[in-house]
Amino acid sequence: DTAVSQTPKYLVTQMGNDKSIKCEQNLGHDTMYWYKQDSKKFLKIMFSYNNKELIINETVPNRFSPKSPDKAHLNLHINSLELGDSAVYFCASSYTEGAEAFFGQGTRLTVV
Amino acid sequence: SQQGEEDPQALSIQEGENATMNCSYKTSINNLQWYRQNSGRGLVHLILIRSNEREKHSGRLRVTLDTSKKSSSLLITASRAADTASYFCATGFYNQGGKLIFGQGTELSVKP
Repeated sequence: DTAVSQTPKYLVTQMGNDKSIKCEQNLGHDTMYWYKQDSKKFLKIMFSYNNKELIINETVPNRFSPKSPDKAHLNLHINSLELGDSAVYFCASSYTEGAEAFFGQGTRLTVV
Repeated sequence: SQQGEEDPQALSIQEGENATMNCSYKTSINNLQWYRQNSGRGLVHLILIRSNEREKHSGRLRVTLDTSKKSSSLLITASRAADTASYFCATGFYNQGGKLIFGQGTELSVKP
């Protein structure tokens, strides 16, 4: 079983559309994250959740709205997509804050 | 802002040689972690070293941490073609929502 799984793996969409990326972890971890990796492979945290509660919102535009229905899921909804949103988005989890993180395989978002 | 700087940005070696990657960071940390990313894949955790540790080993990996110089190094001994990947250092914090701040990575190419 995949520890951290996110869907879809690829997402191609037009500017202005709304899209969602789903993430689930079966590790029993309390903390989940969303990271964004740009074209130069630079990874930056977007959000951190602990037991369904938002801990970090790293100055992400409010077009990005994470939702955690339970501590095993952290979904990312993006409104009014822009060209600059094109990137690879990674979901991750860790058993506690600051511990080793387990990453999903990534979702490559392309906005055209 | 980006915490880690990695050096070199790219490294090309022959199988059997050792590979050394360096990471420098700016602020006090709780731990420093190293991750590997194969092309088109998610990140895989390699090793975590706590701020009160100086050296750690895991198989062919050796990590050192010098908190006075705010630097770390990752040594991969007897490299293999399968070690070809991007390697990232990340600084970990226990009280900031668990976020990891990543360096820009080192692209390692191991030629058979």
